[in-house]
Amino acid sequence: EVQLVESGGGLVQPGGSLRLSCAASGFTLSSYSMSWVRQAPGKGLEWVSNISSSSDTIYYADSVKGRFTISRDNAKNSLFLQMNSLRDEDTAVYYCARVWQQLSFDPWGQGTLVTVSS
Amino acid sequence: EIVLTQSPGTLSLSPGERVTLSCRASQSVRSSYLAWYQQKPGQAPRLLIYGTSSRATGVPDRFSGSGSGTDFTLTISRLEPEDFAVYYCQQSETFGQGTKVEIK
Repeated sequence: EVQLVESGGGLVQPGGSLRLSCAASGFTLSSYSMSWVRQAPGKGLEWVSNISSSSDTIYYADSVKGRFTISRDNAKNSLFLQMNSLRDEDTAVYYCARVWQQLSFDPWGQGTLVTVSS
Repeated sequence: EIVLTQSPGTLSLSPGERVTLSCRASQSVRSSYLAWYQQKPGQAPRLLIYGTSSRATGVPDRFSGSGSGTDFTLTISRLEPEDFAVYYCQQSETFGQGTKVEIK
């Protein structure tokens, strides 16, 4: 079964840091680009970042550029998101997703909640 | 940057009805890159349609997608109880704001 499982979320103070992980199983991670997408409470979906299969191409949303860093370890079937200088507005459920056919996202992990609050 | 506008914001319908959801892009987009997702409360989004009209694996054939240029549509031919959810369109890094389909 193709599956993604996120971890690493939690409560952090403004200005703090957090590192999210996404464990992939059931497919060869090294064959796919991967993304992080977030959803603030009661809001819609917001794309955060994308990394190519070999990590040579990386993109970020303007809202996180310079603060977040996406990375991957294909040998360990894992995707990461290092989040620094966190702000209240970064509070959201963070999903990892495989970039699938024609730039769609499938599957998605179950999400991990990041709460930025003092 | 492309903006995707979904309409209506909320639809109140009964099981068995036909549903048409709209997604309009601020500029012409490549049809091959338009996708639709379903999200139920407390769950991750689920891919329904990619490439404007291709159903993802396991998606019932009551779901269909169409469109081109700036106007795209997701149609549910006959609403089932499990179809009440929020639906999002997506093109590359951009998502629409969502349409909620609720029980009337």
